[in-house]
Amino acid sequence: SQTIHQWPATLVQPVGSPLSLECTVEGTSNPNLYWYRQAAGRGLQLLFYSVGIGQISSEVPQNLSASRPQDRQFILSSKKLLLSDSGFYLCACFGGQWQFFGPGTRLTVL
Amino acid sequence: TQLLEQSPQFLSIQEGENLTVYCNSSSVFSSLQWYRQEPGEGPVLLVTVVTGGEVKKLKRLTFQFGDARKDSSLHITAAQPGDTGLYLCAGARGGSNYKLTFGKGTLLTVNP
Repeated sequence: SQTIHQWPATLVQPVGSPLSLECTVEGTSNPNLYWYRQAAGRGLQLLFYSVGIGQISSEVPQNLSASRPQDRQFILSSKKLLLSDSGFYLCACFGGQWQFFGPGTRLTVL
Repeated sequence: TQLLEQSPQFLSIQEGENLTVYCNSSSVFSSLQWYRQEPGEGPVLLVTVVTGGEVKKLKRLTFQFGDARKDSSLHITAAQPGDTGLYLCAGARGGSNYKLTFGKGTLLTVNP
């Protein structure tokens, strides 16, 4: 079965600083991978998804970018964080018939 | 545009009570998934429903997919404090789950 790791678990960053969140997946190969943001513990907004190495699709215009340097690694980045980037970031993997989620990263931008 | 509407948004009940939460849309989905999420953790899949009219049971939880595959409901019998959490529905279209549309969730609190 798939296992998704995310780090860090929590992060506090000043406005204007860079960001790098990492997601790695075990137990599968060539998965579809996703980055979601969840605000205020409510619904999930899809930010990016990837169907393979180097293939990134962006769902909404924003201050963030994503990269997939390896088959089971997905990275979320920003050059300069905004206050509005605060939230709970979730990485997910498509496991055949449904999506599995990682434990999430809580990002606070001050 | 919010394609999946969940209701109620908040629900607080006493242990032992029954409850139903709803997930409605004007769009047809090829499948619909229900997740439960606890604070500070990722959502955990409860069930996937695929066929219109399908009913699935998971212990005290009963899930139903509407005949037209536009809506779904989750019924919990004899709720327990451990059922507390955010219940999210998510719909997939086009026969693939590679992109899901999520509702905003129902935040359930079961008081002992």
